[in-house]
Amino acid sequence: AQSVTQLDSQVPVFEEAPVELRCNYSSSVSVYLFWYVQYPNQGLQLLLKYLSGSTPVKGINGFEAEFNKSQTSFHLRKPSVHISDTAEYFCAVSEVGSSNTGKLIFGQGTTLQVKP
Amino acid sequence: EAQVTQNPRYLITVTGKKLTVTCSQNMNHEYMSWYRQDPGLGLRQIYYSMNVEVTDKGDVPEGYKVSRKEKRNFPLILESPSPNQTSLYFCASSEDWQNTEAFFGQGTRLTVV
Repeated sequence: AQSVTQLDSQVPVFEEAPVELRCNYSSSVSVYLFWYVQYPNQGLQLLLKYLSGSTPVKGINGFEAEFNKSQTSFHLRKPSVHISDTAEYFCAVSEVGSSNTGKLIFGQGTTLQVKP
Repeated sequence: EAQVTQNPRYLITVTGKKLTVTCSQNMNHEYMSWYRQDPGLGLRQIYYSMNVEVTDKGDVPEGYKVSRKEKRNFPLILESPSPNQTSLYFCASSEDWQNTEAFFGQGTRLTVV
């Protein structure tokens, strides 16, 4: 069965510092990989996705993510964070080409707290 | 503007009182789904729909019903809500069933007392 583990529930960081949010997944088949961001009292917004091809993939707001197939990881990075990046971040996977429910399997979420 | 609209945004209700959370999308997407979000658990799929009149259970369907009579609407029905259904609910839609570009609603925060 698929599963997604986000290794940190909270990541505090100072403004303008780099940040990495870690995500590992487990699946017996190929997957598509996603990062979503949830700002307070809002829905989820797609930050970036990896479907195939080269890595890292770049997303909105200066984020990028590196897909490592051998380590089954999809870590999210930003070289310099802003206060406005404070939000909850979710890693998610979807099985490729399967006749299952097509659902997104989400990690537990990581709260990024950017301090001035 | 591409949108998934949920209503209401906030709801407090009592145990056993039937309620419906509406979801509507304006992107002509075939695939729609409902998730619940609970602290420390991320989002879990409740029900999904591949197309009109085609719905099926997700990972946590107990206590919920859905219908898909029109492509744009996918309401979530709680026939007899219980306190363990207190949660944050999200509706999502996607052009494809693999969710390569899923759009989420703003969420409905439900409290059952």
